[in-house]
Amino acid sequence: GAGVSQSPRYKVAKRGQDVALRCDPISGHVSLFWYQQALGQGPEFLTYFQNEAQLDKSGLPSDRFFAERPEGSVSTLKIQRTQQEDSAVYLCASSLSGQGNGYTFGSGTRLTVV
Amino acid sequence: AQSVTQPDIHITVSEGASLELRCNYSYGATPYLFWYVQSPGQGLQLLLKYFSGDTLVQGIKGFEAEFKRSQSSFNLRKPSVHWSDAAEYFCAVGARGGYQKVTFGTGTKLQVIP
Repeated sequence: GAGVSQSPRYKVAKRGQDVALRCDPISGHVSLFWYQQALGQGPEFLTYFQNEAQLDKSGLPSDRFFAERPEGSVSTLKIQRTQQEDSAVYLCASSLSGQGNGYTFGSGTRLTVV
Repeated sequence: AQSVTQPDIHITVSEGASLELRCNYSYGATPYLFWYVQSPGQGLQLLLKYFSGDTLVQGIKGFEAEFKRSQSSFNLRKPSVHWSDAAEYFCAVGARGGYQKVTFGTGTKLQVIP
């Protein structure tokens, strides 16, 4: 597609529920990133994929967070047993491989845990 | 580790006035530098980027930024602000080498008054 697509746009989850957030990157973009943006804050790095390989997951806040990109295109961020502190906007971005390119961001998924 | 400081949380300017948003970074060498803009409920849009060469960078929507190595700064400027520029602006720094992990500042919210 023309841009990075994320779904759903909004998700309300009860505490303890599992959620799955989807990201469709720009076709041909090798690099894919997930960021978490809490209210009033800048985006914080969660994880990075190069094709299907997850090369950096140092930003995932706990083992309840899991991300995958099995075929090197669509990615899913899964949060198990959601907690209130997980409430945030989750942003996906993609980029052409190599240096020298800015990211293209999706519009994000706003997760509210009640 | 790289980091970004945006000292102004909120700035108000009159329409037609000039604008300068401050950004200071910390990085061991010359980094990649970016400015992104985020409108309410939207993802981040890349305004401009600096990789090398001319330290004055032109971006979209009439914005420019100047990289000053001696001051570790990358301030964003616009000579005449329009009401549609009201948004939140994020400065970001990316590491050279590797997959270009980007670290964002906490953002500056711009309000434009008539």
